[in-house]
Amino acid sequence: GQNIDQPTEMTATEGAIVQINCTYQTSGFNGLFWYQQHAGEAPTFLSYNVLDGLEEKGRFSSFLSRSKGYSYLLLKELQMKDSASYLCAAMDSNYQLIWGAGTKLIIKP
Amino acid sequence: GAVVSQHPSRVICKSGTSVKIECRSLDFQATTMFWYRQFPKQSLMLMATSNEGSKATYEQGVEKDKFLINHASLTLSTLTVTSAHPEDSSFYICSAPLRDTEAFFGQGTRLTVV
Repeated sequence: GQNIDQPTEMTATEGAIVQINCTYQTSGFNGLFWYQQHAGEAPTFLSYNVLDGLEEKGRFSSFLSRSKGYSYLLLKELQMKDSASYLCAAMDSNYQLIWGAGTKLIIKP
Repeated sequence: GAVVSQHPSRVICKSGTSVKIECRSLDFQATTMFWYRQFPKQSLMLMATSNEGSKATYEQGVEKDKFLINHASLTLSTLTVTSAHPEDSSFYICSAPLRDTEAFFGQGTRLTVV
């Protein structure tokens, strides 16, 4: 079956770095997405990876290893506003998104 | 950038009534839109895929007669929750893909059925 695994909750300190991991199993693969979702709001797009390697976008970077079915989202110089849920989603061969349950990131001063 | 507008953001309705949620792509045409439902502390669950000019494709377990989807134009899809019950209370989100690499989400609609 198709499955996405990511940690339920993580805590980090303001100014620090945090890495949120995601492993996936899908029927076919057409890319891996990361979204940020603040409580009560819709998700917003952060990144898309379809090739192996690291994609850097400001304070956020996303990594993909297709052979390992593994991705991570790296957040640097954490700010209090980064407190949110981070959703990992893999696109299968039918271009459907398979969603993880999200990782709740708590930032402490 | 591309924006998807969803309306209303919050709605409270009485049990047995129907509620319509609109999803518009503001500066691009969307032949496909997705409707999701999200329960508290859970992942997004795809309910249906809305296709412009044809019938929507519903996911297994989603009642098509209860969740009516209409994609009348390239910029508008609507989801109508018919004969709403308290268990239909949830967060409903639409999204429209711009390319394979990106999907834009509406703001979401918090539905409370009392």
